[in-house]
Amino acid sequence: EAAVTQSPRSKVAVTGGKVTLSCHQTNNHDYMYWYRQDTGHGLRLIHYSYVADSTEKGDIPDGYKASRPSQENFSLILELASLSQTAVYFCASSGGLGNTGQLYFGEGSKLTVL
Amino acid sequence: GDQVEQSPSALSLHEGTDSALRCNFTTTMRSVQWFRQNSRGSLISLFYLASGTKENGRLKSAFDSKERRYSTLHIRDAQLEDSGTYFCAAEAGGGSGNKLIFGTGTLLSVKP
Repeated sequence: EAAVTQSPRSKVAVTGGKVTLSCHQTNNHDYMYWYRQDTGHGLRLIHYSYVADSTEKGDIPDGYKASRPSQENFSLILELASLSQTAVYFCASSGGLGNTGQLYFGEGSKLTVL
Repeated sequence: GDQVEQSPSALSLHEGTDSALRCNFTTTMRSVQWFRQNSRGSLISLFYLASGTKENGRLKSAFDSKERRYSTLHIRDAQLEDSGTYFCAAEAGGGSGNKLIFGTGTLLSVKP
């Protein structure tokens, strides 16, 4: 069964620390995305990728890096975590060939920065 | 920038009633998707439309094929398990980089 899995599902980090959120998909999709959701709000795009070894900036990339070492894996990296980055982070994948197609989400990773 | 306006922001229904959610777009969109976020926070894909309408059980979605500036999600015979937050997300055409723009959601509460 096609799936997008995220790890960790929950993490508490200290301000200034490094955080890595990982995402793995078995959908054989070209596109992968990282979104952020703040309480009571919709999702905002941080970074995305349409091919391995390449990433693109989304709408709110500041303070985040992304890495796509393979088609299946896409990581979100917070080099210096800040309080404002406390949020739930969702990874997603979709088909490629220039068409977003249907988006499949992971279960989310709740990050709390103290 | 391109915007997705979702309405209403919150809705309370009694079981067995019908209702509709709407998303308006400030520009022409290529496609629209609808999601439901449940109480555990999981995002469940409901529909993906590039045009026309799709139906799945008690849910039906439509995407304005002419001007591509709005989409609706109809809920028929609402049930308790329909409760959650509904999001629409639209893909703009042109050089959008295959990015989706999300609305801010409709919090739906279905009561007995």
